[in-house]
Amino acid sequence: AQSVAQPEDQVNVAEGNPLTVKCTYSVSGNPYLFWYVQYPNRGLQFLLKYITGDNLVKGSYGFEAEFNKSQTSFHLKKPSALVSDSALYFCAVRRANTDKLIFGTGTRLQVFP
Amino acid sequence: DGGITQSPKYLFRKEGQNVTLSCEQNLNHDAMYWYRQDPGQGLRLIYYSQIVNDFQKGDIAEGYSVSREKKESFPLTVTSAQKNPTAFYLCASSMAGALSGANVLTFGAGSRLTVL
Repeated sequence: AQSVAQPEDQVNVAEGNPLTVKCTYSVSGNPYLFWYVQYPNRGLQFLLKYITGDNLVKGSYGFEAEFNKSQTSFHLKKPSALVSDSALYFCAVRRANTDKLIFGTGTRLQVFP
Repeated sequence: DGGITQSPKYLFRKEGQNVTLSCEQNLNHDAMYWYRQDPGQGLRLIYYSQIVNDFQKGDIAEGYSVSREKKESFPLTVTSAQKNPTAFYLCASSMAGALSGANVLTFGAGSRLTVL
């Protein structure tokens, strides 16, 4: 069965420091992987996706993610965190050629000034 | 501006009442989705539709119903059979087709339903 895990409920980081939000997945076949961000009482916004090709994917707002097939991971990273990055981050996976997107439980990122 | 409009933003319901949440998109997307969000559980798929007049159950369809009479609209009815309807409901849309798995979802701002 498809699944995605975000092992940390919350990540705290000081402004200016690098941040990592972890995601691991389980899916048969080639996965399509996504990161979305949600600000309070709002819908989700797309950050980046991995479909094929280069394992390092760059996305919006300076975020990037690295696809690691051997570790079945797709961790979200940013070299220097901003207070405005504080939000709820969701990892999602879809098996190639299927309709449904499976979301993780979300990780709350708190960036302190 | 193209996007997805959900209404109402907040809704209160008495037990035993059906309520309908509206979702309208002007993105010309073929596929539309309804998700439910609960704290600590992420997003769970309720129903989705790839084309007008067709829709499929997601993982938690019991107690919900949908219709897709127009490409732009995908209303969700929360029926009295839904035992725990208090949640944040998110509508989304995407392009469909052979590479639909790679397509990005565009989300509405959500509707928060509270059962009194």
